Amino acid sequence: GQNIDQPTEMTATEGAIVQINCTYQTSGFNGLFWYQQHAGEAPTFLSYNVLDGLEEKGRFSSFLSRSKGYSYLLLKELQMKDSASYLCAVRGRDYQLIWGAGTKLIIKP
Amino acid sequence: IAGITQAPTSQILAAGRRMTLRCTQDMRHNAMYWYRQDLGLGLRLIHYSNTAGTTGKGEVPDGYSVSRANTDDFPLTLASAVPSQTSVYFCASSESLDYNEQFFGPGTRLTVL
Repeated sequence: GQNIDQPTEMTATEGAIVQINCTYQTSGFNGLFWYQQHAGEAPTFLSYNVLDGLEEKGRFSSFLSRSKGYSYLLLKELQMKDSASYLCAVRGRDYQLIWGAGTKLIIKP
Repeated sequence: IAGITQAPTSQILAAGRRMTLRCTQDMRHNAMYWYRQDLGLGLRLIHYSNTAGTTGKGEVPDGYSVSRANTDDFPLTLASAVPSQTSVYFCASSESLDYNEQFFGPGTRLTVL
């Protein structure tokens, strides 16, 4: 079957660094996505990885290892506004996205 | 209009009633999607459309139907609502099925009693 696992909740301190992990087992692979979702709002796109390695975009970076079925999202210099849920999704061979349940990130001052 | 709009914002519905959730985008995107989001579960795809006039089934299509008469509109219909369809429904769009970024509407919170 298809499965995406990520931690349910994480806590970090303002100004620190946090890494949110995602492991997946899917039928086919056409890319891995990270989205941010603030409470009560719609998801918004953060990053896309299709090749192994690290993609950096400002304070956010995303890493992919296809052989290990593993990705992480790295958030640096955490700000209070980064408190949100972070959703990992994989696009399978039929181009539909399979989504993880999301990781709720709590930032403390 | 800028982006994707959904209506209504929220709705309480009696079981057995018919309900249509509306979705409109002004970005001229070819692909559109309907997801449901339930606590503790990831977003699940209900139906999608690759282009006007074509639709496809997602992971959880039972009890739902869609149509795509034109590029901009993608309504989702619950023919006879049941309590298990209580959820938050998101409409999304992208330039194509294989385009990287999907843009989401603000969501419709539906409660079926």
